[in-house]
Amino acid sequence: NAGVTQTPKFQVLKTGQSMTLQCAQDMNHNSMYWYRQDPGMGLRLIYYSASEGTTDKGEVPNGYNVSRLNKREFSLRLESAAPSQTSVYFCASSEATWGGRNEQYFGPGTRLTVT
Amino acid sequence: RKEVEQDPGPFNVPEGATVAFNCTYSNSASQSFFWYRQDCRKEPKLLMSVYSSGNEDGRFTAQLNRASQYISLLIRDSKLSDSATYLCVVNRGNAGNMLTFGGGTRLMVKP
Repeated sequence: NAGVTQTPKFQVLKTGQSMTLQCAQDMNHNSMYWYRQDPGMGLRLIYYSASEGTTDKGEVPNGYNVSRLNKREFSLRLESAAPSQTSVYFCASSEATWGGRNEQYFGPGTRLTVT
Repeated sequence: RKEVEQDPGPFNVPEGATVAFNCTYSNSASQSFFWYRQDCRKEPKLLMSVYSSGNEDGRFTAQLNRASQYISLLIRDSKLSDSATYLCVVNRGNAGNMLTFGGGTRLMVKP
């Protein structure tokens, strides 16, 4: 099993450009998450999808949109990139959202630089 | 006050040493607790889930004190390969399994 995969691994954008970060999991997990990690800030939740067909905002959703394409895939879109969105983006998934097996498993990350 | 607080370290210890990290959390509604390990420029990886009775996995022991709202991680017989940042993670006790991450404690094990 590959677990959680993310593409691309690295990306450089100019201010105002758009892009979509892709995430897929093969663990049949119900819930998926997008985080960003910045130095000194720790991991912060951008958006999550508790189950197929639902999405909700996390702590820092401004400037992002998400799509839960199916149970396996959860994408993150930057419509108009800004330098403040330079960060490392991690996708994660978990089997359950409440009780039970709610450990989250992370993908390898996408390093995004916006110039 | 941060929701999850950890001493950032670094903790510099010799191989074979025992080292302990503590973490405090502020949300009394939290139900799930975890320790993750993160290597430089890599993703966080689940090290242990922390159960109310405490749990052990080889050289690693985790304890939870709900009354005082702190979690600990003990590493015995440290190895060079244990060098990493250890993240204390707590769920928010709400729907959606939203997690709050501590800033991490950096451990450096020296030969």
